Amino acid sequence: RKEVEQDPGPFNVPEGATVAFNCTYSNSASQSFFWYRQDCRKEPKLLMSVYSSGNEDGRFTAQLNRASQYISLLIRDSKLSDSATYLCVVNSLSGNTGKLIFGQGTTLQVKP
Amino acid sequence: DTGVSQDPRHKITKRGQNVTFRCDPISEHNRLYWYRQTLGQGPEFLTYFQNEAQLEKSRLLSDRFSAERPKGSFSTLEIQRTEQGDSAMYLCASSLTSNYGYTFGSGTRLTVV
Repeated sequence: RKEVEQDPGPFNVPEGATVAFNCTYSNSASQSFFWYRQDCRKEPKLLMSVYSSGNEDGRFTAQLNRASQYISLLIRDSKLSDSATYLCVVNSLSGNTGKLIFGQGTTLQVKP
Repeated sequence: DTGVSQDPRHKITKRGQNVTFRCDPISEHNRLYWYRQTLGQGPEFLTYFQNEAQLEKSRLLSDRFSAERPKGSFSTLEIQRTEQGDSAMYLCASSLTSNYGYTFGSGTRLTVV
């Protein structure tokens, strides 16, 4: 089983739609959680951290459910520019380095 | 530019040749990571440095791969006797701690022909 699992999609949505991505992680001791955005043939860029209480950044809302080991990202009022791959990321405590483990990514295509 | 720099951006090499990539992290970041990404997959961890010490290596990193960070600043990743399966994007990232995420460089895209 992969340490971080995501539905790869693609999710094809019209402009203005609300779309939600989900992610599960296997290490219950993980402490840090993130969503990264990656455009085609570019490097991943930090979109937002995910906090236990849930957090919002403009049109983006991230939620964490530690009991279910589940992370979500909600995008409201989708824009064409939101088209990208969204990577769910969890810190791994194995090897005592706190390295980040990335999911496969979920591809979003927003259409006019 | 205060971001993470990687060089070269692209590398095409023949199977069996050796290649070396360089990463210059953000200057105040003491942690440096190498990841590999293939099409349709997320980045996979290869190795990690804290200052000049290499603290962890993934099992993905075969004996043909070696990484260094001699003065705790820039890092190099060398692949010896390249194979077609080594074709991927090699990403370098740096951070102060993992609690705040990483900053990635633009990556080096390796094609082995």
